[in-house]
Amino acid sequence: QSVLTQPPSVSAAPGQKVTISCSGSSSNIGTNFVSWYQQLPGTAPKLLIYENNKRPSGIPDRFSGSKSGTSATLGITGLQTGDEADYYCGTWDSRLSAAVFGGGTQLTVL
Amino acid sequence: EVQLLESGGGLVQSGGTLKLSCAASRFTFSSHAMNWVRQAPGKGLEWVAGISASGNGTFYADSVKGRFTISRDNSKTTLYLEMNSLRVEDTALYYCARGPIVGPTFWFDPWGQGTLATVSS
Repeated sequence: QSVLTQPPSVSAAPGQKVTISCSGSSSNIGTNFVSWYQQLPGTAPKLLIYENNKRPSGIPDRFSGSKSGTSATLGITGLQTGDEADYYCGTWDSRLSAAVFGGGTQLTVL
Repeated sequence: EVQLLESGGGLVQSGGTLKLSCAASRFTFSSHAMNWVRQAPGKGLEWVAGISASGNGTFYADSVKGRFTISRDNSKTTLYLEMNSLRVEDTALYYCARGPIVGPTFWFDPWGQGTLATVSS
């Protein structure tokens, strides 16, 4: 069971918007920055969002992140079939002294 | 482009040992903390261990504490993970990833392509 809680799956039609939630606690999301990762089938994870809402160079602005209290959210607009992937949130847990990830959310673009 | 290349995976019996390596290039390795993250077949990501830029600070997941040792050689720009007393449940694709440890900032970028460790009973 993961320290951070994500929905197992989400789906939406091409061109639509989807959000993926990540719920934690005061010792992880409530204290530290959150990052998000995209893992396309058969590939290594890739950083999408860091420090809650910043995008690395090369990540389109269709991807956004936010944090409120002990929860974080990844938003994807203008969905494309190429966005079908597993998405993970992650942060540092100050009580565990360990990095923690959510269980992952599989995005299906119908 | 920053590059991380893992090696050293393979098939080992339960109770055995493996040592993974991650060769880094095209960035100042000695300035960055590094991590190992694993992914069991069909499962999610699990952080395994992290090490500070100097190598003086190390952190481990409870699931591997006392069995795994993370280390680095900054002169060789290489990260290591020595895995002892391996269990079937340690079977996974092991990724190395550059990124800060301890917080509050947290990001892993880039990730290597992974090396597969399979532990048989």
